[in-house]
Amino acid sequence: SYDLTQPLSVSVALGQTARITCERSNIGSKNVHWYQQKPGQAPVLVIYRDTNRPSGIPERFSGSHSGTTATLTISRAQVGDEANYYCQVWDSSTDWVFGGGTKLTVL
Amino acid sequence: EVQLVESGGGLVQPGGSLRLSCAASGFTFSSYAMSWVRQPPGKGLEWVSAISGGGGATYYADSVKGRFTISRDNSKNTLYLQLTSLRAEDTAVYYCAKEIEAARSEYNWLDPWGQGTLVTVSS
Repeated sequence: SYDLTQPLSVSVALGQTARITCERSNIGSKNVHWYQQKPGQAPVLVIYRDTNRPSGIPERFSGSHSGTTATLTISRAQVGDEANYYCQVWDSSTDWVFGGGTKLTVL
Repeated sequence: EVQLVESGGGLVQPGGSLRLSCAASGFTFSSYAMSWVRQPPGKGLEWVSAISGGGGATYYADSVKGRFTISRDNSKNTLYLQLTSLRAEDTAVYYCAKEIEAARSEYNWLDPWGQGTLVTVSS
């Protein structure tokens, strides 16, 4: 199976920078997408193809990846950013694969 | 505005069947592949199935292969998921989501997603 490893939780102080990682041995060769899911709501795309931000997503959200790790960075974190975040890649043998999700808490 | 609205969820006994629907609007439905993704209560996301824009190619996760059938009616702008031989572990919110091309590839992503419909498998 193709597993993507995310930390269960990340905490960040209000106004500081949060970094959420997604690890897999060859993730650098994959297109990585990130979704935000708030309680009781459907997932929302926040980053596609590693570094691209859909219209309507604040510039505070950015993505990067290399080697074994993809990273979602949220600058100047706000209380409204509290959510679960999921990374996703497409694998030829297992189709869409999601990471286990990371709960972001803004303190 | 692109909109996806799922329906058809509910309570069903183990071994039972259910058909989920996803009504699409705001885009040329036949030009895009579509996926179903589920989320068990309190857990993460799991891709379930997908279908190409024309409906000629279908894809399934191993966990549902042989039990679920995906289809689409492009004349009605509607996506379906037929669930059979249901098990307790199929209990989840089922989301439909739009891919960015008619054909599926590693260059696609899912956007947007519907609000989901809850399937509960229990006796």
